[in-house]
Amino acid sequence: AQSVTQLDSQVPVFEEAPVELRCNYSSSVSVYLFWYVQYPNQGLQLLLKYLSGSTLVKGINGFEAEFNKSQTSFHLRKPSVHISDTAEYFCAVSEVDKIIFGKGTRLHILP
Amino acid sequence: DARVTQTPRDKVTEMGQEVTMRCQPILGHNTVFWYRQTMMQGLELLAYFRNRAPLDDSGMPKDRFSAEMPDATLATLKIQPSEPRDSAVYFCASGLGNSGSAQFFGPGTRLTVL
Repeated sequence: AQSVTQLDSQVPVFEEAPVELRCNYSSSVSVYLFWYVQYPNQGLQLLLKYLSGSTLVKGINGFEAEFNKSQTSFHLRKPSVHISDTAEYFCAVSEVDKIIFGKGTRLHILP
Repeated sequence: DARVTQTPRDKVTEMGQEVTMRCQPILGHNTVFWYRQTMMQGLELLAYFRNRAPLDDSGMPKDRFSAEMPDATLATLKIQPSEPRDSAVYFCASGLGNSGSAQFFGPGTRLTVL
């Protein structure tokens, strides 16, 4: 079975600073990977997904993620965060007909 | 702008009462998922359907929970009888069900069982 590990449960970062949220997956076969964001009191929203092709995937709100097969990682990055990026971020991997989610990383933006 | 809708958005009930949550998936999506989210357990997959047929409900407590899709535009999750430990946010999501397809989430139903 596929699994996803999000290494940090919380990440504090100052406004306008860069951020990286880490994600590792377990699979030796082709994978499809996702990042979702959950703003307070809302459902999960798709940020970006990797299916194939370029290892650098650009998503909404200025986020991007890099697929690294050798390190089985799919880290999420943003060069400059804004207070509105305060949310929980979930890394996920596709397994047949469902998606396996990580436990989430809370991003705290400090003024 | 197609989106998943869920009703009610908030539900407060007393222990022992029946609770029914409803979900309308995005038109054209053939796979529907039910999740539960709590602070302690995080996001848990309860059950999912394809073309209205249940594929997996192993994440669901069988004795009190039931999930159905009466038609392609409605999915229901019922708890009977409800217990305080069922307090959580319940999300419905829909998708195309292919490997690599994204899921699209509704806004959730916040359930509080007193």
